[in-house]
Amino acid sequence: DAKTTQPNSMESNEEEPVHLPCNHSTISGTDYIHWYRQLPSQGPEYVIHGLTSNVNNRMASLAIAEDRKSSTLILHRATLRDAAVYYCILRDEAGANSKLTFGKGITLSVRP
Amino acid sequence: EAGVTQSPTHLIKTRGQQATLRCSPISGHTSVYWYQQALGLGLQFLLWYDEGEERNRGNFPPRFSGRQFPNYSSELNVNALELEDSALYLCASSLAFRQHLNEKLFFGSGTQLSVL
Repeated sequence: DAKTTQPNSMESNEEEPVHLPCNHSTISGTDYIHWYRQLPSQGPEYVIHGLTSNVNNRMASLAIAEDRKSSTLILHRATLRDAAVYYCILRDEAGANSKLTFGKGITLSVRP
Repeated sequence: EAGVTQSPTHLIKTRGQQATLRCSPISGHTSVYWYQQALGLGLQFLLWYDEGEERNRGNFPPRFSGRQFPNYSSELNVNALELEDSALYLCASSLAFRQHLNEKLFFGSGTQLSVL
């Protein structure tokens, strides 16, 4: 599976936008970009995914670079409940050999 | 509707013993994934079952094994437990892979395995 790299941690202020970066320079044409987050003492939960175009849902927005070698998860107004570990992963469209490796993710802290 | 359920919540074993962890997927989901989350190491992929078949396996020794039953529930077995097997074991489910490419995963709350 293509690898993703994320910073270890980020801090944000409550009610301000947060931009969480992810680099995936070896992404292939059929890899989808997925984001999950893991709140304390819980299993991960799905946030958003996309292929080429930017995507929006009720939780967040996903901005994908034109060359697809990087992407950014955008939380429009951070709340204290958004403090979590955010994982950026790649999944091949065919997916038959996908191991869905999550890695360590980026730990987001939100200041009141 | 019930989410992904895992049992037991906590499990304490001694080195050399065997551990069996169980996972019930969301109703209608036929794909089950197992992950290990050791302290500070992120989620490590263990196994993926889809419609009763093992689809893929992570870089873990053979003493980590599992199976998926006809009702799509799954078991993870860890033989000859070692101290470093202490971790949170997470199970996730999704719709059948062949019909739903790139379907989102739904995770359970995990089983905390402690090996003494």
